[in-house]
Amino acid sequence: DIVLTQSPALAVSLEQRATISCKTSQNVDNYGISYMHWYQQKPGQQPKLLIYEGSNLASGIPARFSGSGSGTDFTLTIDPVEADDIATYYCQQSKDYPRTFGGGTKLELK
Amino acid sequence: EVQLVESGGGLVQPGRSLKLSCAASGFTFSNYYMAWVRQAPKKGLEWVATISTSGSRTYYPDSVKGRFTISRDNAKSSLYLQMNSLKSEDTATYYCARHGGEYYGFSFAYWGQGTLVTVSS
Repeated sequence: DIVLTQSPALAVSLEQRATISCKTSQNVDNYGISYMHWYQQKPGQQPKLLIYEGSNLASGIPARFSGSGSGTDFTLTIDPVEADDIATYYCQQSKDYPRTFGGGTKLELK
Repeated sequence: EVQLVESGGGLVQPGRSLKLSCAASGFTFSNYYMAWVRQAPKKGLEWVATISTSGSRTYYPDSVKGRFTISRDNAKSSLYLQMNSLKSEDTATYYCARHGGEYYGFSFAYWGQGTLVTVSS
């Protein structure tokens, strides 16, 4: 199985930049596509897709969210952080079955 | 607008069975892979099952393989999850999710609100 590792929490100030990392135990790239996706989940709500295939912004997602990386190292950046962005963020790979998620990074206010 | 509405959750005793349903609308259901993802209380997300557009191919993690069965009825735009031999560790909110298709690839592009399954005696 491909294991995805995220830091459990990140403290950030409003209007600053937040960088959330996700490291995978195996390469999740294939034919030039990174099979890495990012989701936001607020308490009591279902997850929402933010970024697909490494760096593509899902429809309706603000441009302050961006994704980068390749191979085994990926980053979700929020710049600048707004109060509405306080949530838990998950990475997920679709290179192989079983599909796996990172443990989630809880974004907190400093 | 894509809508996914789960139903069928509830309290069930260990070893018993439960069947979840997901009613889909706002898109051509038969064109998309579908999935179930669960989340135990205060825990992270865990993929549970995926089914191809026709239903001919299904995929499961080892944690549920042989106990859970995903199926679909394209005529009814509905997705199902039959859960047998339930264990306490299956307690979770179960989300129905639509894969991305041509625009979002194999991400989980849309999610339902979830239905809570509690396995306890």
